[in-house]
Amino acid sequence: GENVEQHPSTLSVQEGDSAVIKCTYSDSASNYFPWYKQELGKGPQLIIDIRSNVGEKKDQRIAVTLNKTAKHFSLHITETQPEDSAVYFCAARGYSGGSNYKLTFGKGTLLTVNP
Amino acid sequence: DGGITQSPKYLFRKEGQNVTLSCEQNLNHDAMYWYRQDPGQGLRLIYYSQIVNDFQKGDIAEGYSVSREKKESFPLTVTSAQKNPTAFYLCASSIAQNSYEQYFGPGTRLTVT
Repeated sequence: GENVEQHPSTLSVQEGDSAVIKCTYSDSASNYFPWYKQELGKGPQLIIDIRSNVGEKKDQRIAVTLNKTAKHFSLHITETQPEDSAVYFCAARGYSGGSNYKLTFGKGTLLTVNP
Repeated sequence: DGGITQSPKYLFRKEGQNVTLSCEQNLNHDAMYWYRQDPGQGLRLIYYSQIVNDFQKGDIAEGYSVSREKKESFPLTVTSAQKNPTAFYLCASSIAQNSYEQYFGPGTRLTVT
């Protein structure tokens, strides 16, 4: 089955700096890669995603890049703000049998933005 | 407001008791999912349902049961057979099972002592 590795597990940056979180996946057939932001005690919120036919996608201060050959994808947050502080999860959508697909999640990155 | 609701937010039970977690959505989504989250871990899939009256086991279904009698509702029962039930439980939905985007509810924190 799919395996997703996420690094780093914790990341501390100064306000205004950039933050980069990286994930690798094992199943070359995986075709969709979402990123979720989870604040303490809340459910994950989808913040950006990318499909396998695209190399990069940007939405204001956040962007995601995908390297299918190397099987890794990254989240980039520019001009970080204290409200960006949260746990970020990556995931990969892979085949799970029959006509079914499922998301496999990384273990998360705790991002702290220091004022 | 459209969305996914989970109740209650916090739930406490004694060991050996079954407990049912509620998940309701008014997004008209066909597919619904239950995940378990433990500290420092990613989300692990417990059960999913593509359509009413149908559901499949995920990666960690042992000790759990579900039902899908209505499109809007997908309750999860944590049985006494689940060895480590204390966790944060998240419900999610998508337009269809093979749709890409999944949207999550606010979660229920279950503590079993």
